[in-house]
Amino acid sequence: GQNIDQPTEMTATEGAIVQINCTYQTSGFNGLFWYQQHAGEAPTFLSYNVLDGLEEKGRFSSFLSRSKGYSYLLLKELQMKDSASYLCAVMDSNYQLIWGAGTKLIIKP
Amino acid sequence: IAGITQAPTSQILAAGRRMTLRCTQDMRHNAMYWYRQDLGLGLRLIHYSNTAGTTGKGEVPDGYSVSRANTDDFPLTLASAVPSQTSVYFCASSSGRGDTGELFFGEGSRLTVL
Repeated sequence: GQNIDQPTEMTATEGAIVQINCTYQTSGFNGLFWYQQHAGEAPTFLSYNVLDGLEEKGRFSSFLSRSKGYSYLLLKELQMKDSASYLCAVMDSNYQLIWGAGTKLIIKP
Repeated sequence: IAGITQAPTSQILAAGRRMTLRCTQDMRHNAMYWYRQDLGLGLRLIHYSNTAGTTGKGEVPDGYSVSRANTDDFPLTLASAVPSQTSVYFCASSSGRGDTGELFFGEGSRLTVL
């Protein structure tokens, strides 16, 4: 079966760095996505990786290793507004998105 | 402002009643999707449409139906609601298969079936 694993919850301190991991087992691979979802709101797109390596976008970076079935989202200079759930999703060989359950990130002052 | 509009934002429904969740987008996206989101689970695809006039079943289609008469509208119907359909429903769209896959989501419809 297809499976996406990510930690349920993480806590970090304002101004610090946090890494949210995602491992996957899917039927084929056509890209990995990270979305941010604030409580009670819709998910919003953060990043897309289809090749191995690091993609940097401001304070957020996303890394992919296809051979290991592994990705991480790196958030630097954490701000209170970064408190949210972070969803990992993989597009399979049928171009369907398989979603992880999300990681709830709690930022403490 | 371009985007996706869902209605209603919240609804309490008696079991056995019929309910249609509305979804409209003005981005001229080809593909549209309906997901449900439940605590502790990832987003689960109910139905999708790759282009106007076509629909397909997702991971959890039972008890739901959709139609795609035109590009902009993609309503989701619960023919006879059951308590297990209590969830938050998100409509989403993308420009189409094979692209980067970025989904644009509506604000969600919170449905409670009693």
